[in-house]
Amino acid sequence: DQQVKQNSPSLSVQEGRISILNCDYTNSMFDYFLWYKKYPAEGPTFLISISSIKDKNEDGRFTVFLNKSAKHLSLHIVPSQPGDSAVYFCAASVSNTGKLIFGQGTTLQVKP
Amino acid sequence: DAGVIQSPRHEVTEMGQEVTLRCKPISGHNSLFWYRQTMMRGLELLIYFNNNVPIDDSGMPEDRFSAKMPNASFSTLKIQPSEPRDSAVYFCASSQTRNQPQHFGDGTRLSIL
Repeated sequence: DQQVKQNSPSLSVQEGRISILNCDYTNSMFDYFLWYKKYPAEGPTFLISISSIKDKNEDGRFTVFLNKSAKHLSLHIVPSQPGDSAVYFCAASVSNTGKLIFGQGTTLQVKP
Repeated sequence: DAGVIQSPRHEVTEMGQEVTLRCKPISGHNSLFWYRQTMMRGLELLIYFNNNVPIDDSGMPEDRFSAKMPNASFSTLKIQPSEPRDSAVYFCASSQTRNQPQHFGDGTRLSIL
């Protein structure tokens, strides 16, 4: 039973364009959401987070949107750069539990 | 600042052997997490500690797995006896509190022959 799903295994975009990565969740108790980026042979690196009291959080080129009614979140990267090519994981938790549930990841390729 | 440090980076051993993975969290972080990543199950939480105390070990697959955190700067994950299906990448992560973003080490790639 996958509580966090990333339905697109891969995404390819042109440098300078927008990358949109999507994530769906099923557990309505989740109230804290994060995005991580992972390069090969490295651990996941924290990118950006959002709590359920917000619907948008922005940090430089990265913006996360949360739609609680649809149980959906997305990560927008604008403009995309070749160095953004990596696997992106979304994760969700119920605050105060410390337990992160990860999606399966989406491989982003940004072409020069 | 040093990040989360894991050792060894790679481990190859034969079935039945004891395996010990090590983790040094970021100084000042009070929560420590052990994850396992496989193709089939993705990234899954095995156990986490808060202030050196195990809080939730519901993800530990079976009794062959054990984890300890004897002090704030060191944790181990032990598999005894190891089996080929334990082959995976094991990550350690730490955070200031359990509600803060977790910072991951670069993992230990474990292969059980």
